[in-house]
Amino acid sequence: SQQGEEDPQALSIQEGENATMNCSYKTSINNLQWYRQNSGRGLVHLILIRSNEREKHSGRLRVTLDTSKKSSSLLITASRAADTASYFCATDPRNYGGSQGNLIFGKGTKLSVKP
Amino acid sequence: EPEVTQTPSHQVTQMGQEVILRCVPISNHLYFYWYRQILGQKVEFLVSFYNNEISEKSEIFDDQFSVERPDGSNFTLKIRSTKLEDSAMYFCASSVQGGMKQETQYFGPGTRLLVL
Repeated sequence: SQQGEEDPQALSIQEGENATMNCSYKTSINNLQWYRQNSGRGLVHLILIRSNEREKHSGRLRVTLDTSKKSSSLLITASRAADTASYFCATDPRNYGGSQGNLIFGKGTKLSVKP
Repeated sequence: EPEVTQTPSHQVTQMGQEVILRCVPISNHLYFYWYRQILGQKVEFLVSFYNNEISEKSEIFDDQFSVERPDGSNFTLKIRSTKLEDSAMYFCASSVQGGMKQETQYFGPGTRLLVL
């Protein structure tokens, strides 16, 4: 798999349910960021988790990071129809020359929340 | 809340023409980036820019591409001679810190470029 691969590719749930999206990556990272994109629109930053952090919360969002497994998960609790969007993880790979900050994005998970 | 802005929102051009995409990063940010997203595909890194020079560029960022910070607020991406495969959404992003102290990158709304 490539750096920053999300699964599932698509997820359809009912309003009020929780949505969990996963991301796997291959190289060592400085941090991992989650973004949201409404259809055809810009990328909205959701949360950044650093390589020395294991869990982070922001409102209804909970992100975990397991650097030993090179994976992260994004949990959206009590989902709403307005959460319908594509969700991407983006990694900032660490390299010995010093990261210049180019983010590597996955293909995303398309979340559909039905009212 | 400060945000990254991009103009135009849409651009249609003929193959072989030059296009300039414009971005105004968040004012206290020092690191600037361009990414692109071909329809239905991943967001791909093009170039990062700091202290008036390119920090890093991807394989996509060939001689047809150039970036410039012509003044204290604008950050531009120029494609000299557009090809059909340059059709994509182009995103500008900026961050306060970069390099090993990477912070959140804030993205603009994008410019949708269509090359005919």
